[in-house]
Amino acid sequence: AQSVTQLGSHVSVSEGALVLLRCNYSSSVPPYLFWYVQYPNQGLQLLLKYTTGATLVKGINGFEAEFKKSETSFHLTKPSAHMSDAAEYFCAVSDLGGADGLTFGKGTHLIIQP
Amino acid sequence: NAGVTQTPKFQVLKTGQSMTLQCAQDMNHNSMYWYRQDPGMGLRLIYYSASEGTTDKGEVPNGYNVSRLNKREFSLRLESAAPSQTSVYFCASVYREGEQFFGPGTRLTVL
Repeated sequence: AQSVTQLGSHVSVSEGALVLLRCNYSSSVPPYLFWYVQYPNQGLQLLLKYTTGATLVKGINGFEAEFKKSETSFHLTKPSAHMSDAAEYFCAVSDLGGADGLTFGKGTHLIIQP
Repeated sequence: NAGVTQTPKFQVLKTGQSMTLQCAQDMNHNSMYWYRQDPGMGLRLIYYSASEGTTDKGEVPNGYNVSRLNKREFSLRLESAAPSQTSVYFCASVYREGEQFFGPGTRLTVL
């Protein structure tokens, strides 16, 4: 069975500061890894994904994440936070090519301080 | 191209009432999913349909039934609603390599 752990239910950073949201996973097979963002009262939007190939993946809105197999991690970063980044972020994992759905972490609420 | 649509957006039920949540996608995707989102719990998979005519249980299927009506539509039914089913329900379909497109959600309250 696969699982996802997101460290920190709430993360607060100042506008312009580095954003780092942590995600660790367990999976019995090489996983597909995802980060989704959810703005208030909306559905989930894909930020980025890792399937195969380059371990550093770039997504929308200036976010990127690095797949580290040895650490079973897929942390999300952004060099400079913007007020519009305030949202809930979910890390998710899938094996079997995603056919049986995603397993989500519990989410991290990102707060941007002016 | 509307993507994934869900109806209704909001619903209030009394304990014991039944209802069906509707989901449709216009992207010609084979696989569709139902999740529930609860505070501090992330999203949990209720049921999924890998292709038209097939359905499988996810992590939290108890109290729910599903129907894959055709390739476009995948409905979720609560036969006898309970307060524990108060949640936000999301439908999704798979594009490729596990990438899922989500609908806007249905906010359900069971009194």
